[in-house]
Amino acid sequence: RKEVEQDPGPFNVPEGATVAFNCTYSNSASQSFFWYRQDCRKEPKLLMSVYSSGNEDGRFTAQLNRASQYISLLIRDSKLSDSATYLCVVNTNAGKSTFGDGTTLTVKP
Amino acid sequence: NAGVTQTPKFQVLKTGQSMTLQCAQDMNHEYMSWYRQDPGMGLRLIHYSVGAGITDQGEVPNGYNVSRSTTEDFPLRLLSAAPSQTSVYFCASSYSTRSNTEAFFGQGTRLTVV
Repeated sequence: RKEVEQDPGPFNVPEGATVAFNCTYSNSASQSFFWYRQDCRKEPKLLMSVYSSGNEDGRFTAQLNRASQYISLLIRDSKLSDSATYLCVVNTNAGKSTFGDGTTLTVKP
Repeated sequence: NAGVTQTPKFQVLKTGQSMTLQCAQDMNHEYMSWYRQDPGMGLRLIHYSVGAGITDQGEVPNGYNVSRSTTEDFPLRLLSAAPSQTSVYFCASSYSTRSNTEAFFGQGTRLTVV
């Protein structure tokens, strides 16, 4: 079993749709959680950190459930520019990052 | 402030050749790491370093060596290239080894081994 597992996708949604991505992790010692965005053939870039209390950044909302070892990302009012691959990332206390395989989102007009 | 710089951007090697992928950061970051990304997959950790003079193995270290003689540089050496090492390689750095720091990535090196 992989340490970090994501919805395999792909997700194809119309503009304006709401879409949710799920991620689970197996290492209970994991300390920090992130969502990164990766555009085609580009490097990953931080989208947002994920906190136990949940956090929101504009149209993006991230949730963490430590008991279930589950992370989610919700995108509201999808834009064409949201088309990308979204990577769930889990860090241990030593700073090592484990990446999920990513979920690809395509937003269509 | 260039961030994380990787060279070369593209490389084709013949099986058995060796080469070094260069990575440099100008942000005075403690933590540096190398990942490989195969099609349709996430990033897998090859080697990492928590500071100058200190390196350790990640998930897929076989066939690769690293060194960290300075804070800025973290080269990745392929000892004897194999077709299975065809991949996109990303170097990353972060400010500290604390778990909640953001990783900054280089633009990647696309390596093909024939």
